[in-house]
Amino acid sequence: QKEVEQDPGPLSVPEGAIVSLNCTYSNSAFQYFMWYRQYSRKGPELLMYTYSSGNKEDGRFTAQVDKSSKYISLFIRDSQPSDSATYLCAIFGGNQFYFGTGTSLTVIP
Amino acid sequence: NAGVMQNPRHLVRRRGQEARLRCSPMKGHSHVYWYRQLPEEGLKFMVYLQKENIIDESGMPKERFSAEFPKEGPSILRIQQVVRGDSAAYFCASSPVLDTIYFGEGSWLTVV
Repeated sequence: QKEVEQDPGPLSVPEGAIVSLNCTYSNSAFQYFMWYRQYSRKGPELLMYTYSSGNKEDGRFTAQVDKSSKYISLFIRDSQPSDSATYLCAIFGGNQFYFGTGTSLTVIP
Repeated sequence: NAGVMQNPRHLVRRRGQEARLRCSPMKGHSHVYWYRQLPEEGLKFMVYLQKENIIDESGMPKERFSAEFPKEGPSILRIQQVVRGDSAAYFCASSPVLDTIYFGEGSWLTVV
């Protein structure tokens, strides 16, 4: 079983839609949860970071962690064409950061 | 505060040559990670280093690949005798206290 599983997509939504991106993880000892955005031919950019269950909001982005279900989500409100990218979830445990395979998102104007 | 700096951004090598990729972590970050990313694939962990120490190299191929993070200077990922299958994007990331990591823009290696 992989440490992190991510819905691969691809996902295509109209501008203004609410986007939901999801990952599950296997080890309940994992402590820190992150979301990265990666544009084509660029490095992953940290979007959100949290370590507790519940919601964390930053502008149009909300990260949600449910430790009891081992489930993490990223919600994007009022999606924009500039949000078109690949989104990676990541979890830290032990010495390592474990990454999902990424969900490709396209926001259509 | 400068981000993680990687160079070169693009590197072309012939089969059998050596590729040397450099990474300068963010100021104050003592933890460095290297990842490889193939087209349409996720990030694959290669190695985790601290200054002068390799902490975890479980993701690194046993042959031809090596990494170092000297006391002074950048971290280096070295690939000897490159083959076509080594063509990929190589990302370096650094961390201050192992709660999150910050990535560089990557080095794209093409083996011809």
